Amino acid sequence: LAKTTQPISMDSYEGQEVNITCSHNNIATNDYITWYQQFPSQGPRFIIQGYKTKVTNEVASLFIPADRKSSTLSLPRVSLSDTAVYYCLVGALLRGYQKVTFGTGTKLQVIP
Amino acid sequence: DADVTQTPRNRITKTGKRIMLECSQTKGHDRMYWYRQDPGLGLRLIYYSFDVKDINKGEISDGYSVSRQAQAKFSLSLESAIPNQTALYFCATSDLTDTEAFFGQGTRLTVV
Repeated sequence: LAKTTQPISMDSYEGQEVNITCSHNNIATNDYITWYQQFPSQGPRFIIQGYKTKVTNEVASLFIPADRKSSTLSLPRVSLSDTAVYYCLVGALLRGYQKVTFGTGTKLQVIP
Repeated sequence: DADVTQTPRNRITKTGKRIMLECSQTKGHDRMYWYRQDPGLGLRLIYYSFDVKDINKGEISDGYSVSRQAQAKFSLSLESAIPNQTALYFCATSDLTDTEAFFGQGTRLTVV
């Protein structure tokens, strides 16, 4: 079961690009990397998922190097509304009898 | 209408009381989950269900029970509530690919 390590917190000014890196040294061949965003008192919300190289959607980009032992979530030009906790997950939410945990995530604070 | 609806949104109950948290979803997904969130601990899996007849314990199932009444409904019960079960509870669903999970808005439970 792949374990993930992320920074506990980050601060950024409005308008800047934010990169949050997640380490997952024990990622398995079949594992995907998924990121969720959670606002206070709300349920987590799916942001992006990838397997290798780069994935981009309307919200973020996900960069995954060839060895897949880490991944970086990139949020372009953040605004105050991007202040949230960001979780990196490896594997599926549940696959077979694996139980993927969310961990404590990275608390991003966007400063005016 | 929300894809995943949890009721109640807030509840205060006394130690020793039985309480049920309800979850319903309109996504048509087979997989449903109950998580608990405590400050600084991320989300922890309580129970999960792959379909109506398949229910499994998560990492912190002691003191909880569940019922999958239909594909769309998954309820969580605390048979005899205790104060350390005070937390924010989330229900979630996903399809068979586990690509993306959809979370409810959460139930804030306080046991006094």
